[in-house]
Parts: sequence; C-alpha cells; structure tokens
Amino acid sequence: ETGVTQSPTHLIKTRGQQVTLRCSSQSGHNTVSWYQQALGQGPQFIFQYYREEENGRGNFPPRFSGLQFPNYSSELNVNALELDDSALYLCASSSGLGDQETQYFGPGTRLLVL
Amino acid sequence: GEDVEQSLFLSVREGDSSVINCTYTDSSSTYLYWYKQEPGAGLQLLTYIFSNMDMKQDQRLTVLLNKKDKHLSLRIADTQTGDSAIYFCAERYGGYNKLIFGAGTRLAVHP
Repeated sequence: ETGVTQSPTHLIKTRGQQVTLRCSSQSGHNTVSWYQQALGQGPQFIFQYYREEENGRGNFPPRFSGLQFPNYSSELNVNALELDDSALYLCASSSGLGDQETQYFGPGTRLLVL
Repeated sequence: GEDVEQSLFLSVREGDSSVINCTYTDSSSTYLYWYKQEPGAGLQLLTYIFSNMDMKQDQRLTVLLNKKDKHLSLRIADTQTGDSAIYFCAERYGGYNKLIFGAGTRLAVHP
C-alpha cells in the first residue's frame, strides 16, 4: 500500500452535474498530481499541485479544477459533466518536484456519467 | 512530442520469462517507470530507471534502457499467475513531475 487514499471509490452522476473527488497524500508528500484513465487507455495528466499552487496542467478544459489544502490533501472538481468524463480518476503524491521524486498512486475513483 | 508506445497484449506460460517493450519520444526524460495495474485497482510502482543507466535489476525484474533508440523493456523472470495484469511504461516529462503513460500491455499468464 502506498498510503495514498481516495474517496469515494465509485460515483454515478448525470450529464451537466458537478462532482468533487478527494485525495489524501502519503505522509510527508507536498505534491499531488491528478490523472484521468479512460477505459482501455493509459492515465492522462490533468494537473499538478505543489504547496497549494497549481504547478502544471495537461490538455483538459477549465471545467476541470483543483485545490490543494495546507495538509496537502487535494480535491478534483469537474463541472458540467459530459459522458466522456466517465473514467477512473487517479491521484498520485510525491515528496517534491525533483527529478528523482517518484509518484505513488492511490486506488482511484471510478466515475460513471449517465 | 509526447508519445509512449507499447504492444497491447502478451501471453506467456507460467515459469517462462516475459518481456514487455516500450518506446518513448522525449530524449530529455530523466526517469522512466514501470507501473502495474491489477483489475479494478490503482497503479503500483514496480521499478524505475535513471536515464544514465543501461540496466537495472530488482529481484525478478530487469529493466533495459536503450537511450539511443528510446527503447525500454521490462523482463519478468519465472512469470507467475499473480503477474497477470496490465503493465504501463511511463516517462517523466517536462519541468514538473508529469508522467506520460503508454496504453499499457496486458500480460496473461497461463499454466
């Protein structure tokens, strides 16, 4: 086990709704990254937070937003849900931004949009 | 560009060696990773290699890196049924710790 936890484990929403996913980083880690994994594909980078500031973003629209809190836990918010947002959402924590910093993944939240 | 490619499927007999291959595009990648994903689960870090190394061995796992050809492989010795999973190759990309993943190789181990 990596010590990274995510909630909820599963979620069903309808188109147009909003969703908040949560991630608790491994102890001592100040960096969190979020990834979207569609069925049958590899994870795609959404964005990264370092010490409560967004530190980089992938090719996702602004309706995907995030927060990192002083205790380094994190949220991923998705507004105006679309059917294509159905995926496994993974968060990963690391202890910094250095080249050698390895990302440890949580178990994911599986989101289904109907 | 950002692209990591892997073959999609590999079938091996229990006890044989498995070799999973990956090609990547960013020649400045400093670290390359192998992750394992079992059904319904998150990603488990298996091993990683620094770009100035050619080989890394960790128990049953051997990683080979050919930096000139941007080719990475993962060899699993004495493959067991518990090794059945999807294996992802990933490169670290950019100034921040962003990982670019391949589509994954599904390893099936049969008796």
